[in-house]
Amino acid sequence: ETGVTQSPTHLIKTRGQQVTLRCSSQSGHNTVSWYQQALGQGPQFIFQYYREEENGRGNFPPRFSGLQFPNYSSELNVNALELDDSALYLCASSLAIRGTEAFFGQGTRLTVV
Amino acid sequence: AQKITQTQPGMFVQEKEAVTLDCTYDTSDPSYGLFWYKQPSSGEMIFLIYQGSYDQQNATEGRYSLNFQKARKSANLVISASQLGDSAMYFCALYGATNKLIFGTGTLLAVQP
Repeated sequence: ETGVTQSPTHLIKTRGQQVTLRCSSQSGHNTVSWYQQALGQGPQFIFQYYREEENGRGNFPPRFSGLQFPNYSSELNVNALELDDSALYLCASSLAIRGTEAFFGQGTRLTVV
Repeated sequence: AQKITQTQPGMFVQEKEAVTLDCTYDTSDPSYGLFWYKQPSSGEMIFLIYQGSYDQQNATEGRYSLNFQKARKSANLVISASQLGDSAMYFCALYGATNKLIFGTGTLLAVQP
């Protein structure tokens, strides 16, 4: 086990709704990154948080937003859900921004209907 | 632009034999890292091995080794003595100045008894 936990593991939402996904990072890790993995694809970088500040963002619209808390846990919020948002969402934690190891959680599988 | 290319969508290997999974990369960053992850059907990304661009020796972790050829921009994963539990998707990823992991499309490895 990596020590990175994500909740919930599975989720079904209706188009137009909002969703919050949660990630508890490995103890001592101050950097959290979120990735979206569509079926049959490699993960795509959404954004990264370092010490509660956003530190880089991928090619995702503003309706994808995030937070990092003082204990370094993190949330990913997606507003106005679209069918194409259906994917596995992965959270990765690492120590420092350019950590040589990023440990992933088991992911949240989101289905938008 | 940073890019990872995995040209093998699927591979078969007999149990106890060695297998090489190909990965080529493109980056203009002078300092970068290359990762390999294993993703079983459960979805979790499992860290396997890391190679820094300035590392003189090829990385090894148990049955995993990384054949790093910097001039050819390749970072192939070698799994020795394959086991049935090695059957999974394998992703190569690049980490550079942008503080995010760039993943390839993955290779599905099937180990046959």
